[in-house]
Amino acid sequence: GQQVMQIPQYQHVQEGEDFTTYCNSSTTLSNIQWYKQRPGGHPVFLIQLVKSGEVKKQKRLTFQFGEAKKNSSLHITATQTTDVGTYFCAVLKTGANNLFFGTGTRLTVIP
Amino acid sequence: DAMVIQNPRYQVTQFGKPVTLSCSQTLNHNVMYWYQQKSSQAPKLLFHYYDKDFNNEADTPDNFQSRRPNTSFCFLDIRSPGLGDAAMYLCATSSGQGASETQYFGPGTRLLVL
Repeated sequence: GQQVMQIPQYQHVQEGEDFTTYCNSSTTLSNIQWYKQRPGGHPVFLIQLVKSGEVKKQKRLTFQFGEAKKNSSLHITATQTTDVGTYFCAVLKTGANNLFFGTGTRLTVIP
Repeated sequence: DAMVIQNPRYQVTQFGKPVTLSCSQTLNHNVMYWYQQKSSQAPKLLFHYYDKDFNNEADTPDNFQSRRPNTSFCFLDIRSPGLGDAAMYLCATSSGQGASETQYFGPGTRLLVL
């Protein structure tokens, strides 16, 4: 079955430090999406990656899709307190159009 | 603004007492999803509707049912809630026009079972 692991599970950083979360799949992916969920909130779509080796940037956020399309990363430069939340990668379930969410990385930013 | 609305935001029910959660959308999306999310876990898909076609996940308990009377509304019925069903229930939509679309989530309903 679909296996999507994210590391780390938790990350505490000092405000201004960088943060990276990694998403790893046991199978080749057609695409990958990233969502952010603030504490007490709901998942909000950030970005979708489709091409092998693709890199996309949103201000301080950089998203990468691995060459083999089995892994992805989200990097935040100079974290701010507004970056607090859980970051999920999500992939299409095998043989379906539904999303399967990774285990998530909970980011805490210490002011 | 087009959006996904869930009511109520908090729901308290008693063990074994049926409860219905509601979701509506103004996005005119074809697909509506119901997820269960427990504390510190990822959202887990329960089922989804593509238009009127119902698609149940294999591991969704029979205790959970869903109705979609029209494009805008979708309901989650829990026939006999147990203590383990306490969770956040998230409704989401997508346009249904592609294989890898964005999902738009509602604010969720947090269910407490006493």
